[in-house]
Amino acid sequence: DVKVTQSSRYLVKRTGEKVFLECVQDMDHENMFWYRQDPGLGLRLIYFSYDVKMKEKGDIPEGYSVSREKKERFSLILESASTNQTSMYLCASSSRTGLGSYNEQFFGPGTRLTVL
Amino acid sequence: RKEVEQDPGPFNVPEGATVAFNCTYSNSASQSFFWYRQDCRKEPKLLMSVYSSGNEDGRFTAQLNRASQYISLLIRDSKLSDSATYLCVVNIRNDYKLSFGAGTTVTVRA
Repeated sequence: DVKVTQSSRYLVKRTGEKVFLECVQDMDHENMFWYRQDPGLGLRLIYFSYDVKMKEKGDIPEGYSVSREKKERFSLILESASTNQTSMYLCASSSRTGLGSYNEQFFGPGTRLTVL
Repeated sequence: RKEVEQDPGPFNVPEGATVAFNCTYSNSASQSFFWYRQDCRKEPKLLMSVYSSGNEDGRFTAQLNRASQYISLLIRDSKLSDSATYLCVVNIRNDYKLSFGAGTTVTVRA
């Protein structure tokens, strides 16, 4: 059974703290994604990675960075957390296809981050 | 304009009813379309892909209207277990990335 796991379900941090969110997939997928989900806005892509050490900015990368040192692990880093980064963070992975085609994305259970 | 727009609902329907809702997308050149389902406090999961000629999966029917740039989802004979938020998802630029609608909430009551 395919599995994407995230390091925490709930996290509370203070403004200015550095925050690490980790995601691990066991499906040997090439692509990994970080989204945030906010009411009324849907899922918005923060960053994605299509290979180890490769990353590309999504639609809302400001205030975030990522790291992919191993194929199965994709980390999201909030360098200095702010209250407007309070959100649900979802990690996803998918296998590689040719450009212009698509494979299903499998999501982790999400991390609800609150920044006080 | 948002890349993918959905009526947020909620659609409250009795068991056994038929419910249908649409979503519109911004890029006429988009090629891939999907419906994902998200249960309360859970992660999204793929419900079905949407093909050009329309397709069915049991009680669920998806349609694509390229001329008007919308896709639809119809649920027949609604079950209590169909209560969820349905996310319209489009591969807007035909690359690795997906664009998600904000979701349509469906509540099926006994």
